[in-house]
Amino acid sequence: NAGVMQNPRHLVRRRGQEARLRCSPMKGHSHVYWYRQLPEEGLKFMVYLQKENIIDESGMPKERFSAEFPKEGPSILRIQQVVRGDSAAYFCASSPPSLQGGEQFFGPGTRLTVL
Amino acid sequence: DAKTTQPPSMDCAEGRAANLPCNHSTISGNEYVYWYRQIHSQGPQYIIHGLKNNETNEMASLIITEDRKSSTLILPHATLRDTAVYYCLNTGTASKLTFGTGTRLQVTL
Repeated sequence: NAGVMQNPRHLVRRRGQEARLRCSPMKGHSHVYWYRQLPEEGLKFMVYLQKENIIDESGMPKERFSAEFPKEGPSILRIQQVVRGDSAAYFCASSPPSLQGGEQFFGPGTRLTVL
Repeated sequence: DAKTTQPPSMDCAEGRAANLPCNHSTISGNEYVYWYRQIHSQGPQYIIHGLKNNETNEMASLIITEDRKSSTLILPHATLRDTAVYYCLNTGTASKLTFGTGTRLQVTL
């Protein structure tokens, strides 16, 4: 059973470009979470999605950031018009449907560098 | 903001038990205590969780005080590969994990 997959692992963008980060959850997992980790800081929750639904986006910046988890295919975190402050590691996690949401399986992350 | 407090760093000799404390004095009745770790810059790895009883799995043991205001993660025989940042979290069913700054455990020869 493959783990959570993220791609690309490293992404370099110039200011003003768009960044698309993809996450394929573990087989059988219908819940996806995105977290951001700035250099030398802890992880910060961004968004929680189920298939075709955004459940909690309380950690998403109000502008330029969006996320989706379509019926088919991976979850996508999209950052429009990137700025240097968006440089960070972005981690995706998945979990099976459960009353208890705390056991999440994390991917290896995508390291975004904005030049 | 994180609802837990942990010491910023700890050292442990290889082969000895590592005891990592966590205070969660504001934990509510339906919240579990979860422990994760992050090795270097990899994705966090789930270790163990509990509600009020002590728990043990192949990785670690979790001791939760009777009043649930604090807990201790025990790695019985630490190895160099256990060097990581260890995070203690409280969460109920909301699924949003709130990470603090964790404890940086350094295992030494």
